[in-house]
Amino acid sequence: GENVEQHPSTLSVQEGDSAVIKCTYSDSASNYFPWYKQELGKGPQLIIDIRSNVGEKKDQRIAVTLNKTAKHFSLHITETQPEDSAVYFCAASRGSTLGRLYFGRGTQLTVWP
Amino acid sequence: DGGITQSPKYLFRKEGQNVTLSCEQNLNHDAMYWYRQDPGQGLRLIYYSQIVNDFQKGDIAEGYSVSREKKESFPLTVTSAQKNPTAFYLCASHPRGYTEAFFGQGTRLTVV
Repeated sequence: GENVEQHPSTLSVQEGDSAVIKCTYSDSASNYFPWYKQELGKGPQLIIDIRSNVGEKKDQRIAVTLNKTAKHFSLHITETQPEDSAVYFCAASRGSTLGRLYFGRGTQLTVWP
Repeated sequence: DGGITQSPKYLFRKEGQNVTLSCEQNLNHDAMYWYRQDPGQGLRLIYYSQIVNDFQKGDIAEGYSVSREKKESFPLTVTSAQKNPTAFYLCASHPRGYTEAFFGQGTRLTVV
């Protein structure tokens, strides 16, 4: 099956700085890569996703990049704010009707005011 | 409001007892999933179902059972055979042909 590695496991940044979280995957058939944000005691929420026919996608302060050759994708958050503090998960899927996601272990992001 | 509802939010059980976690969705989604979350472990798939009356084991199905008698409902039973049941359990769903998964708010199960 697919194996998704995520780094770092914890990340602390000052408010206004950028944060980058990186993931690698093993299954070359994976073609859908979502990122989820999970606040304490809540379920994960999709914040951005990318498909393999696209190299980069941006949504305001959040961007995701994908390198299919190297099998890695990254989440970039610019101008971080304290409310960005949460656990972030990357995931990979073959994008078929099966739809099951393989998750990384998560990154605890802390943004200090 | 459409969404996925998990209940209860917190659940306490004595060791050796079976317990059932509820997951209901009114999004008309075909596929439903159960994940288990432990600190530092990410989300691990327990069971999933793509249509009514059909379900498959995920990566850590031992000690768990599910049913899918209705499209809206996918309850998870944690049996006494599950050796370490204390965890945060998440239910998710998505429509047929799409992979964007929507999650419930989770149930934190504590077995004492």
